[in-house]
Amino acid sequence: AQTVTQSQPEMSVQEAETVTLSCTYDTSESDYYLFWYKQPPSRQMILVIRQEAYKQQNATENRFSVNFQKAAKSFSLKISDSQLGDAAMYFCAYRSAYNTDKLIFGTGTRLQVFP
Amino acid sequence: SQTIHQWPATLVQPVGSPLSLECTVEGTSNPNLYWYRQAAGRGLQLLFYSVGIGQISSEVPQNLSASRPQDRQFILSSKKLLLSDSGFYLCAWSSVAGGSEAFFGQGTRLTVV
Repeated sequence: AQTVTQSQPEMSVQEAETVTLSCTYDTSESDYYLFWYKQPPSRQMILVIRQEAYKQQNATENRFSVNFQKAAKSFSLKISDSQLGDAAMYFCAYRSAYNTDKLIFGTGTRLQVFP
Repeated sequence: SQTIHQWPATLVQPVGSPLSLECTVEGTSNPNLYWYRQAAGRGLQLLFYSVGIGQISSEVPQNLSASRPQDRQFILSSKKLLLSDSGFYLCAWSSVAGGSEAFFGQGTRLTVV
């Protein structure tokens, strides 16, 4: 069974600085999708960025980018020029391309942003 | 456009009482539906998922059950709540395409007293 691990329960960053959140996963499959979700204090889950495993190029969305290392099964999220509104819980998630029924999440990383 | 509704937003129930949380999706057909529980330190735990009417897969053996009586309706139930059932419950839907994201409801904060 696939698993997703986020080893950093909490992280903090100064406003305008850069922070990287870690995520590792375990799978025997070769094709899958990886996601980062943000959960602000409102608790509404928001998709931040998505990566397809068969694409070597790292996904980017404005200030958010990923470092996808397929061999190492690592999928970290880099937030550049951090803003106060980035403060939230961040979840990494995995979805198989073969069995698309399940979306599996990690335990989350709480990000604090200091002015 | 697609929307997902989940209710109630908050619920306080005594131990041993029944539970029914409802989730409905609009603007799409034949979605995958999910129930997650969010507890402190455990992230988002997948409880149940469904790929069609009457088709329920359980991820974690527990005091809860799920049903999908209609294509876009997903219900989380319990006959007798336990203290350990307290938590934040999230309903979500996605299309069957693997790359599609999941869309979440607003969540239900359940407190069992």
